[in-house]
Amino acid sequence: ELQLVESGGGLVQPGGSLRLSCAASGFTFTTYWMSWVRQAPGKGLEWVATIKRDGSETYYVDSVKGRFTISRDNAKKSLYLQMNSLRAEDTAVYYCARDPERSSGYYFFDYWGQGTLVTVSS
Amino acid sequence: SYELTQPPSVSVSPGQTARITCSGDALPKQYAYWYQQKPGQAPILVIYKDSERPSGIPERFSGSSSGTTVTLTISGVQAEDESDYYCQSADSTGTYVIFGGGTKLTVL
Repeated sequence: ELQLVESGGGLVQPGGSLRLSCAASGFTFTTYWMSWVRQAPGKGLEWVATIKRDGSETYYVDSVKGRFTISRDNAKKSLYLQMNSLRAEDTAVYYCARDPERSSGYYFFDYWGQGTLVTVSS
Repeated sequence: SYELTQPPSVSVSPGQTARITCSGDALPKQYAYWYQQKPGQAPILVIYKDSERPSGIPERFSGSSSGTTVTLTISGVQAEDESDYYCQSADSTGTYVIFGGGTKLTVL
């Protein structure tokens, strides 16, 4: 069974850092692009970042560029999001999502984890 | 910046047809995708590449595209279809993924 399990969320002060992890199982992790998508409380979905299968390419929404870093460890079948200089507006549930056809020019997410909540507050 | 526009809410009675629209200038160049999200749950892909349905998604869910507008149609709406629905696409270069603001479907 395909699973994506996020961890690492929690309460952090403004300006602080947090590292999210996503453990993948049930599919060949190395053959898929992966992404992070977030959802602020009571708000809609917002794409955050995407990483290529081998980690050689990364893309970010403008609001997190220079503060967040997406990475992956294919040997551990894990995806990460390092979040620095956190702001109140980064408060959200962060979802890990599989990107099945980006290499073919189709941009969407076919499987999602259950999410991990990040709260930025003093 | 590129945007996708959805109506905030749509209401239908059980058994009727619900149509949720999504408008955006890049939609003629990029496919659209639709997700269903229930409270406290992760989104689920219900339509991909404008009109394709993933395995396991009921046939009552369908998608269509015309110019700068795509439409999610739910035929014979059931109570369990009450959810938030999000359209999603990408900018013309594929660099940025964009979501619509979401539509709350209420089954009366």
